[in-house]
Amino acid sequence: GQNIDQPTEMTATEGAIVQINCTYQTSGFNGLFWYQQHAGEAPTFLSYNVLDGLEEKGRFSSFLSRSKGYSYLLLKELQMKDSASYLCASMDSNYQLIWGAGTKLIIKP
Amino acid sequence: ETGVTQTPRHLVMGMTNKKSLKCEQHLGHNAMYWYKQSAKKPLELMFVYSLEERVENNSVPSRFSPECPNSSHLFLHLHTLQPEDSALYLCASSPKTGQPIEAFFGQGTRLTVV
Repeated sequence: GQNIDQPTEMTATEGAIVQINCTYQTSGFNGLFWYQQHAGEAPTFLSYNVLDGLEEKGRFSSFLSRSKGYSYLLLKELQMKDSASYLCASMDSNYQLIWGAGTKLIIKP
Repeated sequence: ETGVTQTPRHLVMGMTNKKSLKCEQHLGHNAMYWYKQSAKKPLELMFVYSLEERVENNSVPSRFSPECPNSSHLFLHLHTLQPEDSALYLCASSPKTGQPIEAFFGQGTRLTVV
């Protein structure tokens, strides 16, 4: 079956670095997406990886290892506004997104 | 503002009521989606429309009935719902289906069935 695993909740300190892991098993693979969702708001696109390696975009970076079925989202210089849920989604061979349950990130001062 | 607008933002309905959720996108996209988001569960894809034609229906109960009159508007008609249908219903759009392109989401309708 198809499955996405990510931690339910993480806590980090303002100014620090946090890594949110995601493992996936899907029928075929057309890339890995990360979305951010603040409470009561729309999920918004953060990153897309289809090749192995690290993609950096400002304070946020996303990594993919296709052989391991593994991705992570790295957030640097954490700010209070980064408190949100982070959703990992793998796109299968039919271009359908298979979603994880999301990781709630709590930032403390 | 993501370019996808959903109304209402909140809805409380009884199990015998009939209501409709509305989604409108101003991005010129050809694909629209309905998702169900329950607490601590993955997003569940309900329906996919491409150029106003339904292309995906993931075994959703018939008490949910979608309608896509044009590529900018999407409705979800609700009738005789159950309490377990209480959830956040998200609409999304993308330029087209069948490609690894990001989707743009609306803020959702928080539905409570009593």
